[in-house]
Amino acid sequence: DVKVTQSSRYLVKRTGEKVFLECVQDMDHENMFWYRQDPGLGLRLIYFSYDVKMKEKGDIPEGYSVSREKKERFSLILESASTNQTSMYLCASSSRTGENEKLFFGSGTQLSVL
Amino acid sequence: AQSVSQHNHHVILSEAASLELGCNYSYGGTVNLFWYVQYPGQHLQLLLKYFSGDPLVKGIKGFEAEFIKSKFSFNLRKPSVQWSDTAEYFCAVSSTSGTYKYIFGTGTRLKVLA
Repeated sequence: DVKVTQSSRYLVKRTGEKVFLECVQDMDHENMFWYRQDPGLGLRLIYFSYDVKMKEKGDIPEGYSVSREKKERFSLILESASTNQTSMYLCASSSRTGENEKLFFGSGTQLSVL
Repeated sequence: AQSVSQHNHHVILSEAASLELGCNYSYGGTVNLFWYVQYPGQHLQLLLKYFSGDPLVKGIKGFEAEFIKSKFSFNLRKPSVQWSDTAEYFCAVSSTSGTYKYIFGTGTRLKVLA
């Protein structure tokens, strides 16, 4: 089974801190994604990457950056955390295999910014 | 702009009732369509998907969805729900032209009463 592992299940940070959220997948997938999930707003795409060192902005990239130095790892960075970034962050990966295409999700990181 | 609309935010049903959750999308070009489910305390997982061919697709646990191209809709149905179907359901769309970007709806929380 594909595994998408997010480094932390819960994180509490202070306003202004730099925050790193790590995600690792073990199935050699080309595509990786970061979403945030908020009640009533569903999943909103922050950034995605379709190859090593490649990144594309999603719908809400402001206040975030990403890094993909290795194929299996996709990091989300909050340069200076703010309270409105308190959310559940979901990492996902997928392959480019046509009819088999689907997203595999991690368990999520619940980030609280105080 | 690309978007996915889910009309029902909260649905409460009794066991054995029939379910239909609405999903409409706005996305240029040919699309792939998905329904994902998140059971309480679990990560998101694929319920079913449509890529091409028969517009009526069947998924896991007795769910099905119908793609109506003229209405830009992909509604999810189940003839008889069970208590174990209590979950949050998300409709999603991706482009077939290789941008690898998935857009999700805001989700529908389904509660099934035993």
